[in-house]
Amino acid sequence: NAGVTQTPKFRILKIGQSMTLQCAQDMNHNYMYWYRQDPGMGLKLIYYSVGAGITDKGEVPNGYNVSRSTTEDFPLRLELAAPSQTSVYFCASNTLAGAPRDEQYFGPGTRLTVT
Amino acid sequence: DQQVKQNSPSLSVQEGRISILNCDYTNSMFDYFLWYKKYPAEGPTFLISISSIKDKNEDGRFTVFLNKSAKHLSLHIVPSQPGDSAVYFCAAKGHGSSNTGKLIFGQGTTLQVKP
Repeated sequence: NAGVTQTPKFRILKIGQSMTLQCAQDMNHNYMYWYRQDPGMGLKLIYYSVGAGITDKGEVPNGYNVSRSTTEDFPLRLELAAPSQTSVYFCASNTLAGAPRDEQYFGPGTRLTVT
Repeated sequence: DQQVKQNSPSLSVQEGRISILNCDYTNSMFDYFLWYKKYPAEGPTFLISISSIKDKNEDGRFTVFLNKSAKHLSLHIVPSQPGDSAVYFCAAKGHGSSNTGKLIFGQGTTLQVKP
C-alpha cells in the first residue's frame, strides 16, 4: 500500500491564481481530512469527509473548496490564492475502526507559497 | 481559542535520559488523546494514544499519562534516543467527534536529543 499520497510536493502561486491539491489513499478509508500547518502552529482542520459525496467544513474553510466523488480521492481547491494561504497542507485518512488506536494516517504534505 | 496547548515550543535532552512532553486541554468533553511525531518534510505519524477512561498507556519506550482533573497529559520517552528528535503534536478528540474522527491539535514541541 502506498498509504496517503499528495501532489504536488511544492508549488508557488501568484496572488489570485487557483490550483488543486491532490490527495489519494489506497487503504479504503471512508474518512478523509485536509489540514494546514503554519509555522510554529499546530494543524488546523480545513475540510473533512466521512464518505464519498459527503463533505463538511472544519475550523478554517474560508478560501477553500473540496469534493469527494470517490472513496480514494479528496482534492482541495484554492480559488483566488492569497498570501495568507501560504502554508503546508496535509491530507489524512482514517477508518474510524474504534479503540484502541483510531489514528489518522497522513500524507507527506504540500508546501504552498503564494506571492 | 486554543483548546489544546503545548506551552513548551522546544525541549533538549541528553541521549539516554527521560524526555517529558506536556499538553494541556480546556474542553472536558475530550475523551481520546493522541500523540503524533513529525520529522521535517514528512507528514505526522501516530505514536501513542490514551482513552479518557485510563490514566496511563505504555508502548515500549513511550508512556502517556493522563490527569483528567488537571486536564493535562504528558508523554514520557525513556530512554531518549537521537532518532527521537522530531516535532511532537498532542491531539484530542471529543465525544461529539466519535462519528467524524475530527482532531484538535496542539502547537507542537520540538524535541532535540543530543548524543
